[in-house]
Amino acid sequence: QVQLQESGSGLVKPSETLSLTCAVSDYSISSGYYWGWIRQPPGKGLEWIGSIYHSGSTYYNPSLKSRVTISVDMSKNQFSLKLSSVTAADTAVYFCARPVGATRHDAFDIWGQGTMVTVSS
Amino acid sequence: QSVLTQPPSVSAAPGQKVTISCSGSSSNLGNNYVSWYQQLPGTAPKLLIYDNNKRPSGIPDRLSVSKSGTSATLGITGLQTGDEADYYCGTWDSSLSAVVFGGGTKLTVL
Repeated sequence: QVQLQESGSGLVKPSETLSLTCAVSDYSISSGYYWGWIRQPPGKGLEWIGSIYHSGSTYYNPSLKSRVTISVDMSKNQFSLKLSSVTAADTAVYFCARPVGATRHDAFDIWGQGTMVTVSS
Repeated sequence: QSVLTQPPSVSAAPGQKVTISCSGSSSNLGNNYVSWYQQLPGTAPKLLIYDNNKRPSGIPDRLSVSKSGTSATLGITGLQTGDEADYYCGTWDSSLSAVVFGGGTKLTVL
């Protein structure tokens, strides 16, 4: 069964760069799918950050595009998120997820457990 | 605010039926499939419905979806206390080239 596990710094200073990694188990990223990042500020709803295909092609939320970079490392079977110039508004639980279909961007049926990132000095 | 609009909360008694609406536009729900998620406190969202009416394995048929134009509705019959959760709709927005979600609806089973 495919499993996703987020890791990275749980505390980031304002104006710095948030970095997270999602390790994929029991499925090779190189086989396909758009691998996504979604976040959820405390007490608020879900916000899609972006997705990456195994080929490296990316789609980003227009509201975050200028600050987001998603990359894939097939040798480690993981993909990563970098969000620059963070502010307190970027404090959230960050999830990585995989859609139900190999050519889909949406309908995420496999999720990581999520990791809390706090932006604070 | 969210691209898709959901009511903040709904409630019903155990055993009853409840519906949760999700409203969008022609660039999202009007031309793309809707998905629905359930999120229990402190956990990741769980996909309940995708492609308008398909259920992943293990999702009971107490859940149903209707879709018309730029709106969709999730229905849950035979409500149980375990159904208390936040529910989100989602879809692809062709104009934004982005995945969009509703703001979420908190279901209370009285």
